[in-house]
Amino acid sequence: EVQLVESGGGLVQPGGSLRLSCAASGFTVSTNYMNWVRQAPGKGLEWVSIISSGGTKYYVDSVKGRFTISRDDSYNTLYLQMDSLGAEDTAVYYCARAVGRARGMDYWGQGTLVTVSS
Amino acid sequence: EIVLTQSPGTLSLSPGERATLSCRASQSVSSTYLAWYQQKPGQAPRLLIYGASSRSTGIPDRFSGSGSGTDFTLTISRLEPEDSAVYYCQQYGTSPFTFGPGTKVDIK
Repeated sequence: EVQLVESGGGLVQPGGSLRLSCAASGFTVSTNYMNWVRQAPGKGLEWVSIISSGGTKYYVDSVKGRFTISRDDSYNTLYLQMDSLGAEDTAVYYCARAVGRARGMDYWGQGTLVTVSS
Repeated sequence: EIVLTQSPGTLSLSPGERATLSCRASQSVSSTYLAWYQQKPGQAPRLLIYGASSRSTGIPDRFSGSGSGTDFTLTISRLEPEDSAVYYCQQYGTSPFTFGPGTKVDIK
């Protein structure tokens, strides 16, 4: 059974850092396209970042230079390193799998809440 | 950045009625890279349609997608009470892979 479990969210002060993890089971992270998508409280979905099976990475402009997506194949886990956090980064962060470039995000985690506040 | 606009913002219909949701892009999107998601309160989104018209695994056939270029449509042929949710379109052809603002479907 495919499962994605995020962790690492919490309360962080403005300017701080946090690393989110997304542990995958039932499939191999490195052979899929893995995404981070966030949702601010009461707002819509915002795509944040993707890492392809070949290791290519893309980011939304608002997080470029501050967030880094990565994966650890030995742990079958996806990460999102978030630095220089601001109030605008407060959101539930979801990891999501896309089987192929054209298949959409078919499995999602339950999300982890990141709150940036002093 | 490709901006997606969804209309209407809210749709209020009765069970058994047909729902037509629109997604318009600021520039052409390859049909291969247009998806629709359903999100219910407190839940993660669920993939309904990918490639503009292909249903994801386990999605009932009352959900269908169509369109090309800059205009795409999600149709729910016969609304069920459990279809009450927010529906988002997303383009994933050109980074950043943007979402529309969503259409809320209320079942009367």
